[in-house]
Amino acid sequence: GAVVSQHPSWVICKSGTSVKIECRSLDFQATTMFWYRQFPKQSLMLMATSNEGSKATYEQGVEKDKFLINHASLTLSTLTVTSAHPEDSSFYICSAIKQETQYFGPGTRLLVL
Amino acid sequence: DAKTTQPPSMDCAEGRAANLPCNHSTISGNEYVYWYRQIHSQGPQYIIHGLKNNETNEMASLIITEDRKSSTLILPHATLRDTAVYYCIVGSGGSNYKLTFGKGTLLTVNP
Repeated sequence: GAVVSQHPSWVICKSGTSVKIECRSLDFQATTMFWYRQFPKQSLMLMATSNEGSKATYEQGVEKDKFLINHASLTLSTLTVTSAHPEDSSFYICSAIKQETQYFGPGTRLLVL
Repeated sequence: DAKTTQPPSMDCAEGRAANLPCNHSTISGNEYVYWYRQIHSQGPQYIIHGLKNNETNEMASLIITEDRKSSTLILPHATLRDTAVYYCIVGSGGSNYKLTFGKGTLLTVNP
């Protein structure tokens, strides 16, 4: 398989602050990474597609100004939740493609107080 | 992407084979069948995928019917650590494909 890491694994922040989550492909280069969100007892929902060197593509209903995505290198994509509110509390998971198979990170649990 | 249908839950005895079904009657000719699982509070784990032929790896076997409208994931000797939600997803593959997750099947392996 392939290894995808995320940092941090969990974060607690105050309402109104911004939080950055990193996603790294450890043993391969990924021109495309994906960001998902999962609320309790629900399935994963795709938020956006992150493309190295270009703008991310957001799914319908996902605010691009609130969820900033940067894919500055072939091994790193970041998701910044700006002005976080309690309703943004969720499990954020990234994935990257290696040899036409999507591999997922361990996820980042965000709690906004 | 084609939709899939899976039973919401299944039980299996430890050491026995777990057979997880999936219906994907609207699958297109160039779409693969992917299986992932998600253990509680973790990211999804890739298991196996296939196009037409049956596939086997160290984790599982994938049996795809000849008409490709359904498939079965087989865990040959289930252990307690195999308890997870199993997702069957169809997609076209390639570097830009998106995975659309359904509700999956919660497999509970009992001692």
